[in-house]
Amino acid sequence: GAVVSQHPSWVICKSGTSVKIECRSLDFQATTMFWYRQFPKQSLMLMATSNEGSKATYEQGVEKDKFLINHASLTLSTLTVTSAHPEDSSFYICSASGDRAAYEQYFGPGTRLTVT
Amino acid sequence: AQSVTQLGSHVSVSEGALVLLRCNYSSSVPPYLFWYVQYPNQGLQLLLKYTSAATLVKGINGFEAEFKKSETSFHLTKPSAHMSDAAEYFCAVRGGKLIFGQGTELSVKP
Repeated sequence: GAVVSQHPSWVICKSGTSVKIECRSLDFQATTMFWYRQFPKQSLMLMATSNEGSKATYEQGVEKDKFLINHASLTLSTLTVTSAHPEDSSFYICSASGDRAAYEQYFGPGTRLTVT
Repeated sequence: AQSVTQLGSHVSVSEGALVLLRCNYSSSVPPYLFWYVQYPNQGLQLLLKYTSAATLVKGINGFEAEFKKSETSFHLTKPSAHMSDAAEYFCAVRGGKLIFGQGTELSVKP
């Protein structure tokens, strides 16, 4: 139980285009979803927290207009990287918490974004 | 505010040897503590968690961790390393957010 999926698992896009990453909770209702970014050999950096039906709360230094987060349902959150640039290339990981144990987060498998 | 410090960015052990990955935390309230493992190009897998029940917590794959309040530590151990244990390990503390340590890369030599 407590499975979180991400799609796509990897994506290559051209500079200036936008790319959407989906995060789904498959067997529980995710009242809160989190988006992380991870650079090679580094820890996870929290980008934003979203509650279903509410606007996302972004961490300091994260551009809201560049990283659009939508949490429209209890099983789906999306991260859209707008006007992507090579420096946005990274590993993006989502996690979710919800009706099982509010203190515990379940992580997706991650999405590797490469901007050329 | 909560914080986590992992001592040692890289640990190397021989197969069959004891694994010890160190984690110290700072928290103004009783913490929830976690250890995660990450294999290359994958997400995080929960190894074990401390939620103020038993201080010795057993997890998956033979790992365990002991919560020591007096030392503000939550070190991860495994009696006998296996080649498949080679990965990145993250300690985390949950306050309002989940706060990660910098990670420790475990290498296992044959």
